[in-house]
Amino acid sequence: AQSVTQLDSHVSVSEGTPVLLRCNYSSSYSPSLFWYVQHPNKGLQLLLKYTSAATLVKGINGFEAEFKKSETSFHLTKPSAHMSDAAEYFCVVTLPNTGFQKLVFGTGTRLLVSP
Amino acid sequence: EAGVAQSPRYKIIEKRQSVAFWCNPISGHATLYWYQQILGQGPKLLIQFQNNGVVDDSQLPKDRFSAERLKGVDSTLKIQPAKLEDSAVYLCASSLGRQDRVAWEQYFGPGTRLTVT
Repeated sequence: AQSVTQLDSHVSVSEGTPVLLRCNYSSSYSPSLFWYVQHPNKGLQLLLKYTSAATLVKGINGFEAEFKKSETSFHLTKPSAHMSDAAEYFCVVTLPNTGFQKLVFGTGTRLLVSP
Repeated sequence: EAGVAQSPRYKIIEKRQSVAFWCNPISGHATLYWYQQILGQGPKLLIQFQNNGVVDDSQLPKDRFSAERLKGVDSTLKIQPAKLEDSAVYLCASSLGRQDRVAWEQYFGPGTRLTVT
């Protein structure tokens, strides 16, 4: 079965320092993977997606993620954190044969950014 | 363009009562989804509509949950009777619904936070 594991429930960084949010996936096929962000009391927003093209994917707000098949990982990074990055981040995988329409979410990582 | 609208934003009910949530998707989006997000967990798909037909309701607790999408636009999700474990945020999302990769992205509403006491 397809699933994702987010290795940290909380990550704390200082403003201006790098961000690393870790995600490992399990899939019996070549997956499509995504990162979504959820700010308090707001809807989920797509940050970036991997769909078997370039393994290094750039998203919005300076975030990027690298698909590493050998490590079954899809970690999210950002060179320099901003206060506005504080939110919940979800790693997501799609199920096969669903036209990318059925999403399976990880449990989320809460990013805390201190001044 | 207007996003996915949901109401109410918050609801508090007692167990065994009934509750209904409303969702208005982005105009022109054929596919509509309802998710349940329990505190500390990622969203879980409850039901997926393509126009006004159900595509997937395998994780919908059908003994107490029901959903409809009349005329293929707005949708309502109902819980009757509610249990304590139904306390969660209920998210609605929509997508264009075509099978090509360009059209798959799901756009989420702000959610309805339900507390069952």
